[in-house]
Amino acid sequence: AQSVTQPDIHITVSEGASLELRCNYSYGATPYLFWYVQSPGQGLQLLLKYFSGDTLVQGIKGFEAEFKRSQSSFNLRKPSVHWSDAAEYFCAVGPPGKLTFGTGTRLTIIP
Amino acid sequence: DAMVIQNPRYQVTQFGKPVTLSCSQTLNHNVMYWYQQKSSQAPKLLFHYYDKDFNNEADTPDNFQSRRPNTSFCFLDIRSPGLGDAAMYLCAIVGGGASGGQETQYFGPGTRLLVL
Repeated sequence: AQSVTQPDIHITVSEGASLELRCNYSYGATPYLFWYVQSPGQGLQLLLKYFSGDTLVQGIKGFEAEFKRSQSSFNLRKPSVHWSDAAEYFCAVGPPGKLTFGTGTRLTIIP
Repeated sequence: DAMVIQNPRYQVTQFGKPVTLSCSQTLNHNVMYWYQQKSSQAPKLLFHYYDKDFNNEADTPDNFQSRRPNTSFCFLDIRSPGLGDAAMYLCAIVGGGASGGQETQYFGPGTRLLVL
């Protein structure tokens, strides 16, 4: 069975600081991996995805993620966060339509 | 342009009063999904349609039903909402795949349901 663990429920960072959100997955084959962002009261917006190929994936809004098979991880990074990045971030694994989501990491930005 | 449209964005209903949430898509994709997301939780798949074929998740309560009158529209009916059904309801499609692109799941903005 596929599963996703996001070990950090809540992270607070200063505006301009770097960010890394952790995601570990369990999947029987080569995983399809996704990061979605959800602002309060909004739907899920796709940040980036990994299907195959280059293990460093670039997404929207300056985010990137690195797939590490040996660690079963797909951590999300951003070199310098902006106040508008405050949101809930969900990692997901699985083929589109059969996604398993992590429980999310809430990101707070302080001035 | 929005691919998945949900109306209304906020819905208030009374305990036990049937309510219908609406979803439409602009891409004529075969598959449409409904998710329930409770506060501070991950989205949970309720069911999906592949064309007109309805696929219910095993643990989706009977209180939740769905209709898909055509390719573009899909409705979520909650027959007798309880307080525990208050949540964000997200509609999604799987898009892309054409011209060698990889399919990806896209979500609508959601309808937040409040049960009084």
